[in-house]
Amino acid sequence: LAKTTQPISMDSYEGQEVNITCSHNNIATNDYITWYQQFPSQGPRFIIQGYKTKVTNEVASLFIPADRKSSTLSLPRVSLSDTAVYYCLVRGDYKLSFGAGTTVTVRA
Amino acid sequence: NAGVTQTPKFRILKIGQSMTLQCTQDMNHNYMYWYRQDPGMGLKLIYYSVGAGITDKGEVPNGYNVSRSTTEDFPLRLELAAPSQTSVYFCASSRDIQETQYFGPGTRLLVL
Repeated sequence: LAKTTQPISMDSYEGQEVNITCSHNNIATNDYITWYQQFPSQGPRFIIQGYKTKVTNEVASLFIPADRKSSTLSLPRVSLSDTAVYYCLVRGDYKLSFGAGTTVTVRA
Repeated sequence: NAGVTQTPKFRILKIGQSMTLQCTQDMNHNYMYWYRQDPGMGLKLIYYSVGAGITDKGEVPNGYNVSRSTTEDFPLRLELAAPSQTSVYFCASSRDIQETQYFGPGTRLLVL
């Protein structure tokens, strides 16, 4: 029942910027967009959250267009340790599960 | 703050056995969640709670039960274990539905 769609996988190299786009066509007015990162054998951890326009923290940037039907997580200058699964979550429905996420593989 | 703690870390069950997965948070969060994650898949919501005494079903509640007698604790009960319940179980909590979820380290369950 996930309301989001994101690519299954992406490959990158160290030092590059990685951009992951998530589609959420049915986003509700009061929904926030949240991104999580998960390493193997660990629980997901919060990366960034936004409602509209652009949000930036020490780890990533989140770009949200005016119609809010999609969002793009940007990871600047990735390193090998950024290899993980990234989940886009639109939270407004209590019963939402996480989708399959995007597996990002960073190569040397 | 310990955050969200889960016990046990790993457990092997025989078919038909029962067990309780424990989850405790020390952040005074109202919202708590139980997810299961099968290999290579995303997290599926089993049950959630919006406060002590209030629980509701998520996407995959069959075969599980929960209770929330205190703000801190949110145990997950498996009554009759089945091989299909082999998975990694994550507990999480958040202050509000829109706010960040904090996850525990997970419980790996194997049903044979």
